[in-house]
Amino acid sequence: GEDVEQSLFLSVREGDSSVINCTYTDSSSTYLYWYKQEPGAGLQLLTYIFSNMDMKQDQRLTVLLNKKDKHLSLRIADTQTGDSAIYFCAVRMNTGFQKLVFGTGTRLLVSP
Amino acid sequence: SAVISQKPSRDICQRGTSLTIQCQVDSQVTMMFWYRQQPGQSLTLIATANQGSEATYESGFVIDKFPISRPNLTFSTLTVSNMSPEDSSIYLCSVVGTTGELFFGEGSRLTVL
Repeated sequence: GEDVEQSLFLSVREGDSSVINCTYTDSSSTYLYWYKQEPGAGLQLLTYIFSNMDMKQDQRLTVLLNKKDKHLSLRIADTQTGDSAIYFCAVRMNTGFQKLVFGTGTRLLVSP
Repeated sequence: SAVISQKPSRDICQRGTSLTIQCQVDSQVTMMFWYRQQPGQSLTLIATANQGSEATYESGFVIDKFPISRPNLTFSTLTVSNMSPEDSSIYLCSVVGTTGELFFGEGSRLTVL
């Protein structure tokens, strides 16, 4: 089945850029998503990209997709302390009910 | 975007009891999904709930333990049966939006003593 991997932790200083990486195994994935989860809260959809795109920018967020390497990244510009959270990438399968397979999550810590 | 409401938001339950979680969506959706997030872990799909048919369960999840109802296009329930402490998790329902986004409810945080 699909396997989605992320690094567990990332620590940055306020004002720097953050880059969170994700790798996946299923080359037939259709949509790829980034979610943010703050402590005690549900999942907030940040952005998503279609598999036929290489890049998507949305305000401070930039998503890069390298289909050849099956690598997805989320760049947060001008990172703020309020960006501290767990970030999950998720890959939508192109089979069956097109379920989402989630990565392990990256805990982003932004220090002042 | 879809607005998803889940009830209860949290509960503390005794071992051996059952709890039903409700998921209400503000628009009609074809597919609804139930996920589980165990403490400190990522999300795992429990089942896909389509209106008018039996839910489709993922490997490791069975209907007797997690019965699901989907009576219409805006509502679904997930029951966690005969609970044990290992069932302590956040349970989340999600729906697919009109352009492929997948939205989540706030989740139901369940603690089993």
